[in-house]
Amino acid sequence: AAGVIQSPRHLIKEKRETATLKCYPIPRHDTVYWYQQGPGQDPQFLISFYEKMQSDKGSIPDRFSAQQFSDYHSELNMSSLELGDSALYFCASSNTERGAASAGELFFGEGSRLTVL
Amino acid sequence: AQSVTQLDSHVSVSEGTPVLLRCNYSSSYSPSLFWYVQHPNKGLQLLLKYTSAATLVKGINGFEAEFKKSETSFHLTKPSAHMSDAAEYFCVVSDRGSTLGRLYFGRGTQLTVWP
Repeated sequence: AAGVIQSPRHLIKEKRETATLKCYPIPRHDTVYWYQQGPGQDPQFLISFYEKMQSDKGSIPDRFSAQQFSDYHSELNMSSLELGDSALYFCASSNTERGAASAGELFFGEGSRLTVL
Repeated sequence: AQSVTQLDSHVSVSEGTPVLLRCNYSSSYSPSLFWYVQHPNKGLQLLLKYTSAATLVKGINGFEAEFKKSETSFHLTKPSAHMSDAAEYFCVVSDRGSTLGRLYFGRGTQLTVWP
């Protein structure tokens, strides 16, 4: 079965540079979520989109932005990178219309590991 | 507000012995509770979930968890550990009244299985 695809899997950037992470949800899933997991930390919710509109916002820095496109894929844009942005970034998807989101059944990708030097 | 507390950051067991990973939750609403597992360099995989049906929930790979409202607990158990169970386990709560799907993760419990 198709899973959530994230790219790139690994990314190395310098401070103050910009990075873009991509997420391709499971087909027919209408909601995408972004989570950030710092070293040794639990995943923290950043932002989510439902039907291409922002549906919820968590602890996402102002330097970060995200959007969901017409084909439902999503991109997380990170600018003015700081050392503290080094983390594993997870994308997850769900089919909200089926009520799966309220049941917490999110399907996670394998993550994109960002290292800021 | 929703939150979970995982009482142990590390648990070590011998292969073939029982596993107990403890989790207490706090929720302003009727919660949905989950356990997710994360193997090294892998994504998060749903093990099991509680959403108001039976309080004893069975998941994949022989894991189960019991929702105890009086104790605000949702401990994860397995009768016999296998080497492949070694991973990070996250207890997670979601506000069942929300359709937004935001999950609140515990700090995780690293399970080590000795041969």
